Amino acid sequence: AQSVAQPEDQVNVAEGNPLTVKCTYSVSGNPYLFWYVQYPNRGLQFLLKYITGDNLVKGSYGFEAEFNKSQTSFHLKKPSALVSDSALYFCAVRDDAGNMLTFGGGTRLMVKP
Amino acid sequence: KAGVTQTPRYLIKTRGQQVTLSCSPISGHRSVSWYQQTPGQGLQFLFEYFSETQRNKGNFPGRFSGRQFSNSRSEMNVSTLELGDSALYLCASSPGQGFNEKLFFGSGTQLSVL
Repeated sequence: AQSVAQPEDQVNVAEGNPLTVKCTYSVSGNPYLFWYVQYPNRGLQFLLKYITGDNLVKGSYGFEAEFNKSQTSFHLKKPSALVSDSALYFCAVRDDAGNMLTFGGGTRLMVKP
Repeated sequence: KAGVTQTPRYLIKTRGQQVTLSCSPISGHRSVSWYQQTPGQGLQFLFEYFSETQRNKGNFPGRFSGRQFSNSRSEMNVSTLELGDSALYLCASSPGQGFNEKLFFGSGTQLSVL
């Protein structure tokens, strides 16, 4: 069975500092990896995805993520955090055999001025 | 283009009742999936449909059912509601049946069971 772990329930960072939100996964076949963000009282919005190829994926709002196959990780990063980045972030994985999309438990990012 | 539309936005029911939630995907999208979001369990997959066929089903009891219509609109039904069914139910759509497609989410239906 596939699974996703987001080890930190909350990440606190000061505005202007770099941020990292961690994600590790387990899947049988080749992984398709996603990051989504959720603002209060809203659905999820797509940030970026990894399918194949370059291990560094660039996405919306200046976010990027690095795929590491040996460590089965897909950490979300941003060089300089904004207060408006404060939200709930979800990592998700799906295998290439078409099994269901599985989400991690979510990490709340708090960016303080 | 209009986004994914879920109705109603809020719903209050009592235990034992049944409820039907509706989802209209983005025009042209043929795949619809449903998720349950709760503070304790996070995001749990319910169903996935493509062209009226159920492709995947999550680990939920038979009280949870869904369907997709020929116009790609989808409904999910929960019968004999329990207190634990209180949650935000999210619908998402994507253009085709590719497993690596990004999902477009609606704002959800907040269901409260009293």
